[in-house]
Amino acid sequence: EAGVAQSPRYKIIEKRQSVAFWCNPISGHATLYWYQQILGQGPKLLIQFQNNGVVDDSQLPKDRFSAERLKGVDSTLKIQPAKLEDSAVYLCASSLERWTAPSGNTIYFGEGSWLTVV
Amino acid sequence: AQRVTQPEKLLSVFKGAPVELKCNYSYSGSPELFWYVQYSRQRLQLLLRHISRESIKGFTADLNKGETSFHLKKPFAQEEDSAMYYCALSGRSFNKFYFGSGTKLNVKP
Repeated sequence: EAGVAQSPRYKIIEKRQSVAFWCNPISGHATLYWYQQILGQGPKLLIQFQNNGVVDDSQLPKDRFSAERLKGVDSTLKIQPAKLEDSAVYLCASSLERWTAPSGNTIYFGEGSWLTVV
Repeated sequence: AQRVTQPEKLLSVFKGAPVELKCNYSYSGSPELFWYVQYSRQRLQLLLRHISRESIKGFTADLNKGETSFHLKKPFAQEEDSAMYYCALSGRSFNKFYFGSGTKLNVKP
């Protein structure tokens, strides 16, 4: 079974520039997550999709971050304009819908997109 | 509010020594707890979850609802266990995953 795919793996940009990350979840996984992981910290949820609808974006800095999942499959996360503090690993993850996993759900991660803002 | 606490940022042990990585959670409902591991330059991957009551790579973890803990244990650490370990919380009533800040396990030869 193919895992969660992310690209690009690494990106270096200057502050105030824009960047976009792409994610393709595991086939059949209705729920897609974007996490931000700053060095030395655990993953922090930015946004969660259920199919193509947003379930939770309370931690997404909406003045500069945006995300979409138009067809309910792959997703893009955009940052514009980037700030120095956005330097982090952006993790995409996916899971089944809750009701389809009555014995317990599990979240699966991609390899992450490493962003450095200089 | 849901919260996961891993009090140790770094844990160093010698090969063959027992290891325990601590995890405490805060959640008033019925929790589901997980341990994820991240080896150097690899993706975060599931190590084990409490609902399966399994032992993976010699690791076990028991959910203690009274102490709201889910500590990860291994009786004899191996060098290949060196990695970042993250405790995660989900719940039967919601489809979110909350992560702790992680513990780096360093197993010395």
